[in-house]
Amino acid sequence: QSALTQPASVSGSPGQSITISCTGTSSDVGGYNYVSWYQQHPGKAPKLMIYDVSNRPSGVSNRFSGSKSGNTASLTISGLQAEDEADYYCSSYTSSSFFGTGTKVTVL
Amino acid sequence: EVQLVQSGAEVKKPGESLRISCKGSGYSFTSYWISWVRQMPGKGLEWMGRIDPSDSYTNYSPSFQGHVTISADKSISTAYLQWSSLKASDTAMYYCARASDWFDPWGQGTLVTVSS
Repeated sequence: QSALTQPASVSGSPGQSITISCTGTSSDVGGYNYVSWYQQHPGKAPKLMIYDVSNRPSGVSNRFSGSKSGNTASLTISGLQAEDEADYYCSSYTSSSFFGTGTKVTVL
Repeated sequence: EVQLVQSGAEVKKPGESLRISCKGSGYSFTSYWISWVRQMPGKGLEWMGRIDPSDSYTNYSPSFQGHVTISADKSISTAYLQWSSLKASDTAMYYCARASDWFDPWGQGTLVTVSS
């Protein structure tokens, strides 16, 4: 199976909302509600931001939200802040796991 | 606090063997899988495989099957990632993570450098 497809980069101004897409197939993203999202700052380990499509772990800001339609999952960051500038990866779980290609978020 | 602590950075020569470790604490180590994830320099995350520490059942990505071995010692809450013969292309950061259908938390990463 190939990696899930994400846009290489997304940018926005402080306070704006941005959405990152994650496109798979009916065998992974579309077939199961097991999509998660990770934030990775340079030189740091990834951090879980969303699990099971739309659930936020304790301690994650409610500015982060997730959704899914068909074979595409999305991560929305509202009220964009400078600290949100990072790489973001989606992941899908079936009998094994896969990551997306990654999206660099830039705060203008 | 749930935590995964990985072993330190390694510098190896091509053809050498290596085992890196990942020690869990703050939770029941046998209740969750441990996954290993590779990140090559400047690149994205790649899932390598996982182990169920309760019975050492493993599941590998086809891309890594046969190239690495994942093991665990539940008596000391530690998982391992092992190579029998390293290549220069194995140079990367390797992360372990507590896993279900998600990965959380992640270890701090182990940088493996393979160079002659």
